[in-house]
Amino acid sequence: EPEVTQTPSHQVTQMGQEVILRCVPISNHLYFYWYRQILGQKVEFLVSFYNNEISEKSEIFDDQFSVERPDGSNFTLKIRSTKLEDSAMYFCASSELNTGELFFGEGSRLTVL
Amino acid sequence: RKEVEQDPGPFNVPEGATVAFNCTYSNSASQSFFWYRQDCRKEPKLLMSVYSSGNEDGRFTAQLNRASQYISLLIRDSKLSDSATYLCVVNWGNDMRFGAGTRLTVKP
Repeated sequence: EPEVTQTPSHQVTQMGQEVILRCVPISNHLYFYWYRQILGQKVEFLVSFYNNEISEKSEIFDDQFSVERPDGSNFTLKIRSTKLEDSAMYFCASSELNTGELFFGEGSRLTVL
Repeated sequence: RKEVEQDPGPFNVPEGATVAFNCTYSNSASQSFFWYRQDCRKEPKLLMSVYSSGNEDGRFTAQLNRASQYISLLIRDSKLSDSATYLCVVNWGNDMRFGAGTRLTVKP
């Protein structure tokens, strides 16, 4: 069964460092998303991406964040200068339709020290 | 009003019990509604979509009330394996917004 894959599964970084989280969405899906979940809290929307551009972003997704689809398969989230409060699980998701089922990857746990 | 609001829980029920979760959403333009399940430290997974006429999948029944902007999930004959956090998800324009989730623990 096709699945969304994410790397790394866990990354520890120092405050101020750049981090890139990688995702390979399901191949025939057209809509891509990043969500984050701080431990014990709700799943929060960061950004959606369609047709090689951002379609929506939340207030969390400030200038420190960027997304890219550098080739036909990868979808990356970059955090330019990490803060302690960026520590969270970051989930990538993809869907065939923009109002359809989201398929999530297993997440990348980011710990900022 | 929060975008998507759920019963805070937690719900602790014995095996075999019937349990109901409620969810309200603030965007009257939302068209797609889902219940997801999230196990501890795992990714959310789709439990079921919610259709206007209500729908059932085995022990699970979902209802939608558009006028009240309200969604519900009923679990009958609960099993130990139903223990998880249940997330109400509603489309928001081109993306999906999640409720904070309701934790369910089913005890023997």
